[in-house]
Amino acid sequence: EDQVTQSPEALRLQEGESSSLNCSYTVSGLRGLFWYRQDPGKGPEFLFTLYSAGEEKEKERLKATLTKKESFLHITAPKPEDSATYLCALAPQGGSEKLVFGKGMKLTVNP
Amino acid sequence: DGGITQSPKYLFRKEGQNVTLSCEQNLNHDAMYWYRQDPGQGLRLIYYSQIVNDFQKGDIAEGYSVSREKKESFPLTVTSAQKNPTAFYLCASLGQGGRRPQHFGDGTRLSIL
Repeated sequence: EDQVTQSPEALRLQEGESSSLNCSYTVSGLRGLFWYRQDPGKGPEFLFTLYSAGEEKEKERLKATLTKKESFLHITAPKPEDSATYLCALAPQGGSEKLVFGKGMKLTVNP
Repeated sequence: DGGITQSPKYLFRKEGQNVTLSCEQNLNHDAMYWYRQDPGQGLRLIYYSQIVNDFQKGDIAEGYSVSREKKESFPLTVTSAQKNPTAFYLCASLGQGGRRPQHFGDGTRLSIL
């Protein structure tokens, strides 16, 4: 069964304190892995897509990496506006293009 | 600007009542999806449609129904058979061609009166 596990469930950081969020997955064949950011009361906002092991993507203070078993979202020198829930989702190979989501990780960055 | 519009933002359901959540997109996307989000749980797929006049059940379709009469629209009806409808409902769409992400609307929060 295709599965996504995110850890930790919640993380509190001080402004400027870098850290990483983990997304481990099991899938028979990976079409892509997606990272989203979700603010309270809003829909998920797309951040990155990763397709193959070794791939890295960067956007401002965020950097996503992918191995054959997990993905990391590295946050460098976070600011309070980075506070949000971060969702990881995988797209298994196949024709339906359904996504399998993790439970999310709530990040709070204190000033 | 292109995007996905969900309405209403908040909805209240009485006992035994069916309610319909609206989802409209102007992205010219073929595929559309409905998810349910509960606190502490990941998004769970209710229904999806890859083309007009066709749709498939997701993982938690019981108590829900959909239609796809137009490419732009994919309404979700929460029926009285859904005994625990209180949740945040998200609609998404996906375009064709290459590897791409699903795009989401801003959700409808459904509560029981």
